[in-house]
Amino acid sequence: DAKTTQPNSMESNEEEPVHLPCNHSTISGTDYIHWYRQLPSQGPEYVIHGLTSNVNNRMASLAIAEDRKSSTLILHRATLRDAAVYYCILTDTGTASKLTFGTGTRLQVTL
Amino acid sequence: ETGVTQTPRHLVMGMTNKKSLKCEQHLGHNAMYWYKQSAKKPLELMFVYNFKEQTENNSVPSRFSPECPNSSHLFLHLHTLQPEDSALYLCASSAYRGKDEQFFGPGTRLTVL
Repeated sequence: DAKTTQPNSMESNEEEPVHLPCNHSTISGTDYIHWYRQLPSQGPEYVIHGLTSNVNNRMASLAIAEDRKSSTLILHRATLRDAAVYYCILTDTGTASKLTFGTGTRLQVTL
Repeated sequence: ETGVTQTPRHLVMGMTNKKSLKCEQHLGHNAMYWYKQSAKKPLELMFVYNFKEQTENNSVPSRFSPECPNSSHLFLHLHTLQPEDSALYLCASSAYRGKDEQFFGPGTRLTVL
């Protein structure tokens, strides 16, 4: 499985945008980029996913580099409820059931 | 509330006990998964079921025995566990074994004494 690299932790102020980076230099042409997050004492929660084009949904935006070797999850206005561990995961379309979680980025949001 | 429920939420058992974890999804999904989350380790996929058939066993020891009687229910039967098996066990479901998102339950916190 292609691997991803994320910073261990990031901090943000409430109501400011947050850009969470993910490097995946060995990504293959059929790999989707998924983002999940895990709030304290909860199971992971789907955030967004994409293949080549940037994606937007009600939770976040996903910006994918033109060469697909990196991507950025964008939270437009961080709130205290966004404090969580964010996971960037690559999945091959043929084995998309296999979510291989890394250590993720722990996001702290302060007032 | 994700539509995936797990019981019990907490379980303490001895190494000689037999217990079962239960997962139920109310989303009409056809694929279900068991994950293990140990302290300071990433989430690990254990088993995958698609339309009640096991399609993935990620080299899990036989003291963990999954059962999927129908697409809505998934069990994890536990016997002769070790203290290092203490972890958070998470269940998830998805529409089918494919690119759809997975919905996770809240997990069962298991402690093996």
